[in-house]
Amino acid sequence: EVQLVESGGGSVQPGGSLRLSCTVSGFTFTTSWMHWVRQASGKGLEWVSRINSDGSDITYADSVKGRFTVSRDNAKEKLYLQMDSLRAEDTAVYFCSTEKFDFWGQGTLLTVSS
Amino acid sequence: SYELTQPPSLSVSPGQTASITCSADKLEDKYVNWYQQKPGQSPVQVIYRDNQRPSGIPERFSGSSSGNVATLTISETQAMDEGDYYCQAWDISTYMFGTGTRVTVL
Repeated sequence: EVQLVESGGGSVQPGGSLRLSCTVSGFTFTTSWMHWVRQASGKGLEWVSRINSDGSDITYADSVKGRFTVSRDNAKEKLYLQMDSLRAEDTAVYFCSTEKFDFWGQGTLLTVSS
Repeated sequence: SYELTQPPSLSVSPGQTASITCSADKLEDKYVNWYQQKPGQSPVQVIYRDNQRPSGIPERFSGSSSGNVATLTISETQAMDEGDYYCQAWDISTYMFGTGTRVTVL
């Protein structure tokens, strides 16, 4: 059974940092590209970032470019999202998802507020 | 930026057909996926590559694409089909989601 479990969400002040994790199982993580997608409360889905299987090819949405960094540890089967210089508009539930968006985690909530 | 436009809402009676559109420039050059999301839950893929149905998705869900418009069709709509629906496409390593359509079955 494919499982993706996000963790690391919480409350942070504007300008602060936080790192999200996504722990996966049930599929071959080492060959899978992965995504982060977020959703603000009552709003639609927003793609955040994509990383290829070995971390050599990464893309970001313009809204997070230069502030967020995606990475992965294939040995631990974990995906990460380092978020710096956080803003109120980054407040959202963050989901990790597989390459074709066919499997999603349950999401973890980030709140950026003073 | 590339935008996928959907109608904000759609109401359908049980047993009837719901059609949700997704429009964008040059959409005919891209594959479109569709997702269903119920309140408090993660999205679930219901159609991929315009018209392919993932394992476990009921046959009443179908997809098509023509020109700049992709369409998700729910035949014989059931109460359990209520939720938000999003189209999604990608272009040169950028991935986009549609604006979303809330489907109400009443």
